[in-house]
Amino acid sequence: AQSVTQLGSHVSVSEGALVLLRCNYSSSVPPYLFWYVQYPNQGLQLLLKYTSAATLVKGINGFEAEFKKSETSFHLTKPSAHMSDAAEYFCAVRSNDYKLSFGAGTTVTVRA
Amino acid sequence: DAGVTQSPTHLIKTRGQQVTLRCSPKSGHDTVSWYQQALGQGPQFIFQYYEEEERQRGNFPDRFSGHQFPNYSSELNVNALLLGDSALYLCASSPGTGRNNEQFFGPGTRLTVL
Repeated sequence: AQSVTQLGSHVSVSEGALVLLRCNYSSSVPPYLFWYVQYPNQGLQLLLKYTSAATLVKGINGFEAEFKKSETSFHLTKPSAHMSDAAEYFCAVRSNDYKLSFGAGTTVTVRA
Repeated sequence: DAGVTQSPTHLIKTRGQQVTLRCSPKSGHDTVSWYQQALGQGPQFIFQYYEEEERQRGNFPDRFSGHQFPNYSSELNVNALLLGDSALYLCASSPGTGRNNEQFFGPGTRLTVL
């Protein structure tokens, strides 16, 4: 079985401030973990993925995430928020060859 | 490269009707997965097709069925529509079924059931 919990359905940050989005996973096997971003009326775009190599993963648009097995976490961060980061973010886990299991999502708003 | 394409963009149906959604995978991809994203929720896995066969199915009733064609494109069919079927339906393609293979998502089809 595999599942993801995203803590906080909405996050509001000031432009230039740290963005931190929390994700905890459950998986019966070593997981592959993903963060996706979804802009309004669009599909999902992959930000970054963890596939059992380096535990600190760097993605696009300045985002990075750290896999912590002891905490079963895969939190997403960006040091300095930009207005264009306003979107919905989904954490997902893939424990087998088939499906991705997504969290409920976190909506990020960026204040000027 | 056109990426993953889906049609139609939007669709309005009434309860009890049937609907067919279409997906063309990214060039070079042979595996297609379908997801349902209800408003305010994360996508939920419906099923995956590879080599024209359904490989795995999520927790969806038999009213949801699919097909994959020899050119790897795919259709999602939903019969006897319910109000609760209103959602964004996302298609994702990948080069094979391995879990290391990234799934690329299309823009989705917004289905509204009245």
